Amino acid sequence: EGQLVESGGGKVQPGGSLRLSCAASGFTFSSYWMHWVRLVPGKGLVWVSFINSEGTSTNYADSVKGRFTISRDNAKNTLYLQMDSVRVEDTAVYYCVRPRSPYLNYFDLWGQGALVTVSS
Amino acid sequence: EIVLTQSPGTLSLSPGETATLSCWASQRVSRSYVAWYQHKPGQAPRLLIYAASLRATGIPDRFSGSGSGTDFTLIINRLEPEDFAVYYCQQYGTSPNTFGQGTNLDIK
Repeated sequence: EGQLVESGGGKVQPGGSLRLSCAASGFTFSSYWMHWVRLVPGKGLVWVSFINSEGTSTNYADSVKGRFTISRDNAKNTLYLQMDSVRVEDTAVYYCVRPRSPYLNYFDLWGQGALVTVSS
Repeated sequence: EIVLTQSPGTLSLSPGETATLSCWASQRVSRSYVAWYQHKPGQAPRLLIYAASLRATGIPDRFSGSGSGTDFTLIINRLEPEDFAVYYCQQYGTSPNTFGQGTNLDIK
């Protein structure tokens, strides 16, 4: 069925950087597109970014475009989110999620989440 | 982007009762591509329903989804203690996929 485990969360100052990782197991990671979704306090779930299975195509929410970079290492079964120039409003729990298929973007596998707090 | 509004924000019920959660979209959701998730604190969200009415693997038949166009509903019959959680709807028919703000189902 599969498992996703995020790591790398923590506290960072505004303008700083942080890299989240997501280790995948129990399924053929290299066959799946992958996404990041965040849970924003008081706002709910918000889609952040996706990457295709080969790592050659990506997309971002307008709120993070130009600041965040999604990538993957299929040899290591790991998804990444590089967060640069972070803002207070980036404070959230970040989830690594697997969609049912590239064209059916409902998420049937979620990680436990990584808490990112942006504060001075 | 399509904005999803969930109602009510908080629903207080007792075990054994029926919960009715609503999700309204600002535009028609293509192919009724709406999913529902259950989220408990400290846990990974869990997929309950996809395509508005199809139950995900392992989800009991107490959970049912319905709707089309802009109005969607999740009904939970015979509430069990483990059902009290936050529920989110999501539309994935139009990019970017978007979520509602959540309904907190708590014990009365």
